[in-house]
Amino acid sequence: GESVGLHLPTLSVQEGDNSIINCAYSNSASDYFIWYKQESGKGPQFIIDIRSNMDKRQGQRVTVLLNKTVKHLSLQIAATQPGDSAVYFCAENPRTGKLIFGQGTTLQVKP
Amino acid sequence: GAVVSQHPSWVICKSGTSVKIECRSLDFQATTMFWYRQFPKQSLMLMATSNEGSKATYEQGVEKDKFLINHASLTLSTLTVTSAHPEDSSFYICSAERDRSYNEQFFGPGTRLTVL
Repeated sequence: GESVGLHLPTLSVQEGDNSIINCAYSNSASDYFIWYKQESGKGPQFIIDIRSNMDKRQGQRVTVLLNKTVKHLSLQIAATQPGDSAVYFCAENPRTGKLIFGQGTTLQVKP
Repeated sequence: GAVVSQHPSWVICKSGTSVKIECRSLDFQATTMFWYRQFPKQSLMLMATSNEGSKATYEQGVEKDKFLINHASLTLSTLTVTSAHPEDSSFYICSAERDRSYNEQFFGPGTRLTVL
């Protein structure tokens, strides 16, 4: 498969702080990127996307940054809340008809 | 918008039986749907791409006869796990593609399959 089956890295932050989750993508031909949030026992939930003609996109409390030079994607969550605790996946579209998912990062928010 | 449902949300079955999982796009039409499998604390593993009106495309290593996929309409795809065994126990998730040009996928809530 396209995804890597490794144990997920964990990011632990204090409630109210900003969180930055990073992702290195693999294919320089990818033109569309998505961040998903997955809570325990649930399916991935769309958070925000960005197209390759942009380097930044903002949503409600979230910002995605794209650096095509180094093939790096990041998700910034402002004023992190306990409800933000979840696993976050980045995904890229290499124009093959299917997405490639990153390994995921577990975000733990400490009260 | 962009809501995808799955049914059932969980199922327990005996070894040797078959289980059908439904995936529906509720507020958009999806020519293409995807089926994923996810093991605990791991990323999503694509099993197959389901195309409306044609045969599914399976990923390498996924048994076609074991995981039957039918995409009979623009809003429904089904995955049937045939002759299920305990090693098939997993979390199965479907997604539906809303924008083909960008492979924009929205996911269902997943189905937890436990085979005894």
